[in-house]
Amino acid sequence: ESVLTQSPGTLSLSPGDTATLSCRASQIVNGNFLAWYQQKPGQTPRLLIFGASNRATGIPDRISGSGSGTDFTLTITRLEPEDFAVYYCQQYDNSLTWTFGQGTKLEI
Amino acid sequence: EVQLVESGGGLVQPGGSLRLSCEASGFSFSSYWMHWVRQAPGKGLEWVSRINTDESSASYADSVKGRFAISRDNAKNTLYLQMNSLRAEDTAVYYCVRDQLHYADYWGQGTLVTVSS
Repeated sequence: ESVLTQSPGTLSLSPGDTATLSCRASQIVNGNFLAWYQQKPGQTPRLLIFGASNRATGIPDRISGSGSGTDFTLTITRLEPEDFAVYYCQQYDNSLTWTFGQGTKLEI
Repeated sequence: EVQLVESGGGLVQPGGSLRLSCEASGFSFSSYWMHWVRQAPGKGLEWVSRINTDESSASYADSVKGRFAISRDNAKNTLYLQMNSLRAEDTAVYYCVRDQLHYADYWGQGTLVTVSS
């Protein structure tokens, strides 16, 4: 079973900064089936990125995903107050299961 | 509009059982794989289970294997999770999630399950 490790655990930045979040898999993510979600307090997760680099509907181009194999990155430029939240990566593997990373908290 | 509405959560004693339901609307339910994902209070997301479109295939996290059973009724547009032998560590908000080619594009609002004596 593949494990996803996100870093850092907490990222402290200011509005206008650029955030770089990492997600590392213990095994190669086949087909780049890697997604990113944003969760704000009291809300359900929202899909941001799928297929490692494809933005979901309505996601601004300030938010981008990259990577392949075992190393993936979520980049958010020109941080806005509404970007401060917890971010999770998620992979699909050949055993037809999902795995989530433990999350990165982006705080002011 | 896609909607997923969970129900059936509540307080249950350790060792007890509970059945969660998720009523889907706004899309062709029978065409999508569906999942349950849970989140313990103050913790991260944990995938629980998956079912394919015709119930011929299901998968479970190791933490719930042998205790939980996922099922669906396509005629009623409803997903279920039968939870047996519940433990304190099963306490969480349980989300019903639609699978869009191996990622979650829609989430329900969740139903809270509390396992405590």
